[in-house]
Amino acid sequence: EDQVTQSPEALRLQEGESSSLNCSYTVSGLRGLFWYRQDPGKGPEFLFTLYSAGEEKEKERLKATLTKKESFLHITAPKPEDSATYLCAVLTTGRRALTFGSGTRLQVQP
Amino acid sequence: ETGVTQSPTHLIKTRGQQVTLRCSSQSGHNTVSWYQQALGQGPQFIFQYYREEENGRGNFPPRFSGLQFPNYSSELNVNALELDDSALYLCASSLPPNTEAFFGQGTRLTVV
Repeated sequence: EDQVTQSPEALRLQEGESSSLNCSYTVSGLRGLFWYRQDPGKGPEFLFTLYSAGEEKEKERLKATLTKKESFLHITAPKPEDSATYLCAVLTTGRRALTFGSGTRLQVQP
Repeated sequence: ETGVTQSPTHLIKTRGQQVTLRCSSQSGHNTVSWYQQALGQGPQFIFQYYREEENGRGNFPPRFSGLQFPNYSSELNVNALELDDSALYLCASSLPPNTEAFFGQGTRLTVV
């Protein structure tokens, strides 16, 4: 059974304090790993897709990386508007839909 | 290009009642997936529709059912509502072979 574990569950940063969120996965046949941002009471907003180990993608202050066992979402010099829950999900061979982790709740204080 | 839209945004129902939630997929997307998200948890897969046929199902009982229409919009029906069905229901659309799924804003269902 596919498993996705995110850590930490919650993270509080000061504005400008860089950090990383972790997503570890145990799957058979990874087709893609996805990062989403979710604001309270809203639907997840697509950020990145990573397909193979060694791949990296960047968007503004966010950078996602992928190894064979985990993915990291690096946040550089975060701002209060980066506060949200960040969800990691995997799509695997033989399955039709995403398997999500429980998310990391990020709070960035000014 | 329009995104994924869901209706209604909020809904309160009584235990035992039935509910229908609606989703309009992103323009051109022929695949719709439904997810249930409990508070503080990641979304859980309910089922997927591809070209009007159910294309996969998660671990949800048969009282969760759905439809997809020729314009690729979709409905989620839940019968005999239980208190534990209270959650945010999310619809996501995609266009295979692309793997990215784009979500709507969700419907918050409260069962009392």
